[in-house]
Amino acid sequence: DSGVTQTPKHLITATGQRVTLRCSPRSGDLSVYWYQQSLDQGLQFLIQYYNGEERAKGNILERFSAQQFPDLHSELNLSSLELGDSALYFCASSVVTSRGSDTQYFGPGTRLTVL
Amino acid sequence: AQSVTQLDSHVSVSEGTPVLLRCNYSSSYSPSLFWYVQHPNKGLQLLLKYTSAATLVKGINGFEAEFKKSETSFHLTKPSAHMSDAAEYFCVVSEAGGFKTIFGAGTRLFVKA
Repeated sequence: DSGVTQTPKHLITATGQRVTLRCSPRSGDLSVYWYQQSLDQGLQFLIQYYNGEERAKGNILERFSAQQFPDLHSELNLSSLELGDSALYFCASSVVTSRGSDTQYFGPGTRLTVL
Repeated sequence: AQSVTQLDSHVSVSEGTPVLLRCNYSSSYSPSLFWYVQHPNKGLQLLLKYTSAATLVKGINGFEAEFKKSETSFHLTKPSAHMSDAAEYFCVVSEAGGFKTIFGAGTRLFVKA
């Protein structure tokens, strides 16, 4: 158990709908990352937040958005869903120190199926 | 610019034989390097991490990796494969205090009985 929690575990929805995925980081971790993993694209970095502020952006679509709240949990919002958005969505958290990079700890993921 | 190349998309070994998963990286700074493992339908689990201490890093489940700066490599090895090692393995490079992290494309390890 990494200490990172994600809800829900599974989500089935229809095209055109909007969903919200939730992530609670490990206690003390200020940085949260979101990733999408699909069979054809592999593991893709979407976005990173650090202490409530967006810090880095990867291959995140305009239909997707995220935020990190004052209690450090994060939500990933996916709207106008398409069949191709079906994937595993992972959240990771880390402590980022002045000494350098620290380890990302991954949650169990949310499997999104768009029908 | 930062990049990670996992040289094999698939590796197949027999149980009890050595495992070698290859990773080359490029980085403008002294990076941190990681190997993660992902079993089917599970999250990624940290195997080991290099952060400029000893060049030979020991991880969990008997895995280890050697950082070779001259070759810009960070290959993952295990002396004897077990059936439970069958999974996907990701090599990761991170720099700038964790604000720039790149994942390799992954290597799927198959272990035959």
